[in-house]
Parts: sequence; structure tokens; C-alpha cells
Amino acid sequence: NAGVMQNPRHLVRRRGQEARLRCSPMKGHSHVYWYRQLPEEGLKFMVYLQKENIIDESGMPKERFSAEFPKEGPSILRIQQVVRGDSAAYFCASSPQGTTQITQYFGPGTRLTVL
Amino acid sequence: KNEVEQSPQNLTAQEGEFITINCSYSVGISALHWLQQHPGGGIVSLFMLSSGKKKHGRLIATINIQEKHSSLHITASHPRDSAVYICAVSYNNDMRFGAGTRLTVKP
Repeated sequence: NAGVMQNPRHLVRRRGQEARLRCSPMKGHSHVYWYRQLPEEGLKFMVYLQKENIIDESGMPKERFSAEFPKEGPSILRIQQVVRGDSAAYFCASSPQGTTQITQYFGPGTRLTVL
Repeated sequence: KNEVEQSPQNLTAQEGEFITINCSYSVGISALHWLQQHPGGGIVSLFMLSSGKKKHGRLIATINIQEKHSSLHITASHPRDSAVYICAVSYNNDMRFGAGTRLTVKP
């Protein structure tokens, strides 16, 4: 049973470009969480999705950021018109149920560098 | 003030020492998690607690709900335990994270 997959592992973008980060949850998991870890800072919640639904996006910046988890395929975190401050590690995690009272399984992360 | 506070921020130990990392939180929670982040960046979930104590190998995690405090203990520490240990609390739909404790175990 493969773990949570994220790709790409490293992504370099120039200011103003778009970044697309992909997350494939563990088999049987229909709940996905995205977290951001800024350099030298702790993890911060961004968004929680279930298949085809955004359940909680209270941690997402209001502009330029969006997330989806379609019926088929991976969850996508999309950052439009990236700025240097978007440089960070983005982790996704998945769980089989929609509660944070169970273990979440983390992916290896995508390290975004904005030049 | 952060909702989740960890101490110490950095910890250096000699191989074999008993290690304690502390976590205090200020919000009502449904569960508390201890995570391990290796130098390569990957994150592994070590424990999920809602009460009492859990043990896995050389790792022990305890939680006191009334005092809003949890501890992670490592017995007979080893250099391979060197990592950042992160305390996180389940709060509504999301998790709130501490800043992490960077542990270095020297041989």
C-alpha cells in the first residue's frame, strides 16, 4: 500500500508564474489536508478537502491560492502569480475519515522556490 | 501567544540519555499528536493521544487534559533519534502545530 505521494518534490518558479502541487492520498483515504511550512517556521494548516468538496479553507490566503480534490485524480494546490514569500515546503496529509482525532499520514512534501 | 507551545526549542543530548520534550496548549482540543520531522523533511506521525499514556518502543507520550500539557519521552536515546519533534493539537477541522523541538543526539 503506497503512502501519500506528492509531486513534484522540488519546484522552482519565477515570480508571476503559476505553481501546481499534486497530492495522491493513501489508497482508501478520501480526506486530504494541505499544510505549509515557511522557512524556519512551524507547520500551518491551509485547507481540508474531501472528494469534490472543500470542507475548511480557513487557512488559505484569500488571493492567488486555490485547492481542489476531484472525483478522479490527485488533489491539486494551485498558486497563481507566485511571489518570493510563497517559497516554502507544502505538505499534504490524508486520512480515511474526516476527523483530526485519528492519525494523518503525511506526504514527503513539495519544496517550492520562487526566484 | 501561540496556541501550542513547545519546550525546549533545541535540545542536545548524549547517546543513552533520557529525553523529555514538553508541549502546552491553550485551546480546547479533541486530540494531541506528536510528529517527527527528519532532516530530509519527511514527517511521520508518532502518536495520537486523547488521554493517558501511550508507548511505542523507546518512545512514551503522556497527556494531562486538565493541565493542557503533554510530554514526549525518549529512553536510551540514539543518534538516529535526531530530528525535529512537533506537537500538534486537533482543533475543529484542522491541526495547530507547535514550532518544534530540534533534538540532536551525539554518539
